[in-house]
Amino acid sequence: QTVVTQEPSFSVSPGGTVTLTCGLSSGSVSSSYYPSWYQQTPGQAPRTLIYTTNTRSSGVPDRFSGSILGNKAALTITGAQADDESDYYCVLYMGSGISVFGGGTKVTVL
Amino acid sequence: EVQLVESGGGLVQPGGSLRLSCAASGFAVSSNYMSWVRQAPGKGLEWVSVIYNGGSTYYADSVKGRFTISRDNSKNTLYLHMNALRADDTAVYYCARDGGAYNRALDPWGQGTLVTVSS
Repeated sequence: QTVVTQEPSFSVSPGGTVTLTCGLSSGSVSSSYYPSWYQQTPGQAPRTLIYTTNTRSSGVPDRFSGSILGNKAALTITGAQADDESDYYCVLYMGSGISVFGGGTKVTVL
Repeated sequence: EVQLVESGGGLVQPGGSLRLSCAASGFAVSSNYMSWVRQAPGKGLEWVSVIYNGGSTYYADSVKGRFTISRDNSKNTLYLHMNALRADDTAVYYCARDGGAYNRALDPWGQGTLVTVSS
């Protein structure tokens, strides 16, 4: 079974830039996997950030951007702010109706 | 306003059954793909199931054969029928609208309902 991989954690300084990635245990991620990204803080429902690789959801600041970098989907936070400290999840559509989430990345801003 | 409200969670014994509901407002469940996602305590998100606007249904291997996704168009409500529940089904269950064939965004999300499987 294919596993969706994410870095377990990242630390970024306020105002800094961080790029989170979303890969496959076997193969490369492309736009045909419709990668999307979600932000979640403790006790809250996830919030949609990015879908179809690089489309920002309504109300999402433009410091969040999505892309394909090499063989992975990527979420870049440019000019990180304190309230960006959250868990970030990607999800990939595997085909045949099935989607799979990555394990999530915990981002610390300090 | 587009909104989803889950209900039906609670404490259930191993081997038991439960039905979760997700009431939608601001859009028609019947015209959209609709998904269930769960999150075990302290763990990450896990995709569970989707129902397409045409009625096709799909499941994660972890719940296939035990869970059934359905909808009631007259009530504009999505359901998740859960049977043969196990301890590892304990989680917050979220419903979300799925963007569809060319846009698999999950948005919006409900607030979640907690299912605890324990004796």
